[in-house]
Amino acid sequence: QQQVKQSPQSLIVQKGGISIINCAYENTAFDYFPWYQQFPGKGPALLIAIRPDVSEKKEGRFTISFNKSAKQFSLHIMDSQPGDSATYFCAAYSGSRLTFGEGTQLTVNP
Amino acid sequence: EAGVAQSPRYKIIEKRQSVAFWCNPISGHATLYWYQQILGQGPKLLIQFQNNGVVDDSQLPKDRFSAERLKGVDSTLKIQPAKLEDSAVYLCASSGYTTGELFFGEGSRLTVL
Repeated sequence: QQQVKQSPQSLIVQKGGISIINCAYENTAFDYFPWYQQFPGKGPALLIAIRPDVSEKKEGRFTISFNKSAKQFSLHIMDSQPGDSATYFCAAYSGSRLTFGEGTQLTVNP
Repeated sequence: EAGVAQSPRYKIIEKRQSVAFWCNPISGHATLYWYQQILGQGPKLLIQFQNNGVVDDSQLPKDRFSAERLKGVDSTLKIQPAKLEDSAVYLCASSGYTTGELFFGEGSRLTVL
């Protein structure tokens, strides 16, 4: 299965709060799990990525948590800011193909 | 470093007409992708090129969609004839390595009336 399931579809948080987006996959051949951020009218841009041999990766306010046995991974945005308001896509990579989740529209209220 | 360039940014056509989109990838990137992004959905891969050869076109509706990559650099995606359900943003991306790090252009938004 090449599907990547993402939740929630939309998320509203207050400034300074924690945003959490979850993804699940079936195909154990996936070997690279990036998160992309997309602003309206723009193409997706790589935000942060993880390989399945580590359980967590942190870059600034953004952290990926990875659970290989559960085939799940999540994005945590700490101290969320209005400028983080965008659509976030998880993705999974295998055999040169990148498969995207359906996206989460994040709104951070000031 | 210049990013991925796409044109046109917007196109409105009637159903059954044809349309073509152009993409210029980041210099030196061997892999080029075309994705279709329908409003509210994640990007869906249409076709992937490695240099000027097709790696994956399994999800390309070949009865109406075609794509080529000229001399392993620029690429053109064509739709003929267009259907209402083709209304979407067509994203071009390129990658220098097979790591899953893709660089996307801003997309070409197609509206089919």
